[in-house]
Amino acid sequence: SYVLTQPPSVSVAPGKTARITCGGNNIGSKSVHWYQQKPGQAPVLVIYYDSDRPSGIPERFSGSNSGNTATLTISRVEAGDEADYYCQVWDSSSDHPVVFGGGTKLTVL
Amino acid sequence: EVQLVESGGGLVQPGGSLRLSCAASGFTFSSYAMHWVRQAPGKGLEYVSAISSNGGSTYYANSVKGRFTISRDNSKNTLYLQMGSLRAEDMAVYYCATRTGTVTTSPFDYWGQGTLVTVSS
Repeated sequence: SYVLTQPPSVSVAPGKTARITCGGNNIGSKSVHWYQQKPGQAPVLVIYYDSDRPSGIPERFSGSNSGNTATLTISRVEAGDEADYYCQVWDSSSDHPVVFGGGTKLTVL
Repeated sequence: EVQLVESGGGLVQPGGSLRLSCAASGFTFSSYAMHWVRQAPGKGLEYVSAISSNGGSTYYANSVKGRFTISRDNSKNTLYLQMGSLRAEDMAVYYCATRTGTVTTSPFDYWGQGTLVTVSS
């Protein structure tokens, strides 16, 4: 089955840029979605189809996807961005159609 | 406003059963597939089960196949997950979720708040 690999943790100072990667075999050929999850809360969609932003998500959140790596970029990081972030793809060729990455804990220093 | 409200979680002994419910509102429930995603304590998201809009097609992760049954009642706008032969590794927060996009690869844009299932003797 398809595997998505995320770094367990990323740390960034306030006001700086955070980049969270999601690795997968030829992931650039798939559509990647990103979810933010704060402690005790349900996941919230922050980026869909690689780089689109749902309404209400700040422009500071952006995404890209090419080759074997998709990236969630958070510019001008704020304390409120501290959360777990998960990437997700649909793998229609597999018996396991929905794949989540292992998640990345973003810590704002 | 789309709302998904799970219920039915609680403490159950290993080998026991539990039925989760997810009450939906704010959208045409009968038009969309519904999904269950779980999260064990301190762990990541795991896709568990799905059911088509009319209930005619279902999916189960290997980890729950043969033990869990997903169903829906479109007249009540409610999704269910009947869980049996529960194991310690089934302990998790269970989220129901839906995708309102029409494309096969659309994201989960709505999630419930989750219900906690604790499996312990």
